[in-house]
Amino acid sequence: DVVLTQTPPTLSATIGQSVSISCRSSQSLLDSDGDTYLNWLLQRPGQSPQLLIYSVSNLESGVPNRFSGSGSETDFTLKISGVEAEDLGVYYCMQATHAPRTFGGGTKLELK
Amino acid sequence: EVQLVESGGGLVQPKGSLKLSCAASGFDFNSYGMSWVRQAPGKGLDLVADISSKSYNYATYYADSVKDRFTISRDDSQSMVYLQMDNLKTEDTALYYCTVLSPFWGQGVMVTVSS
Repeated sequence: DVVLTQTPPTLSATIGQSVSISCRSSQSLLDSDGDTYLNWLLQRPGQSPQLLIYSVSNLESGVPNRFSGSGSETDFTLKISGVEAEDLGVYYCMQATHAPRTFGGGTKLELK
Repeated sequence: EVQLVESGGGLVQPKGSLKLSCAASGFDFNSYGMSWVRQAPGKGLDLVADISSKSYNYATYYADSVKDRFTISRDDSQSMVYLQMDNLKTEDTALYYCTVLSPFWGQGVMVTVSS
C-alpha cells in the first residue's frame, strides 16, 4: 500500500500567518491517465472531514482561495495564505491513484 | 443537497456483531463507489471497505485488519450501503464514516467493542 507521510505532525500559527503542510508519498501518484489523485481534507474539531483540494491543486467548490495545493509525483504541499480561526483542525492528505486509497497521518493546526 | 446518514452503531461485546447502514440522497448513488472509513478515538482516518458501482461489477476491497470479518454491500434501489461487522474486536472501536471518497461524508456512527 502507498504510505503518505505528513509533516509536521503539529503546526502552531497565529491568525494571519501563512503556513505549509507537506505530504510525501512512497510511490509516484501520477496515474497512467495523466492525472495525479492527491487530495487534501480538513477535519475540524468534532466534525466530519471535508474535501478542500482535489487532484493536487483544484479547489473544491466553496473552499476559500487562501488554500492552495501544489506538487507532483511524490512531493505535495498544502499552503494556507493567512490562517483564519475557522482553519483550525487536522489536515489529511489522501491518495486515490493506487488501490487501496490511503491517508496521511494528519497535521494538527493549532493557534499559537 | 448531498446527505449520508449512518445508523446501527452502539456498544457490543467482543466477538459480537453489528450491522451499519448508510442512507444516501442528493446525488446519483448508482454511479458512485461507496466506502466506510473509520477513526479510532484520537487517531487518524483508515479505509475499512469499499464497494464499487454496478459499472465496475460491485468490486469490493477490505483492509487486512477486517478481512473475513466485515462485509460491505449496497442496495442501489434504496440508495443504501451496509457494513456487516462480525467477530468484533476491541480494536474495532471507532467512529465509522460512510463516504464517497473524498467529497461526501456522513456524520459518523460510533462503534464501541467492550466487555
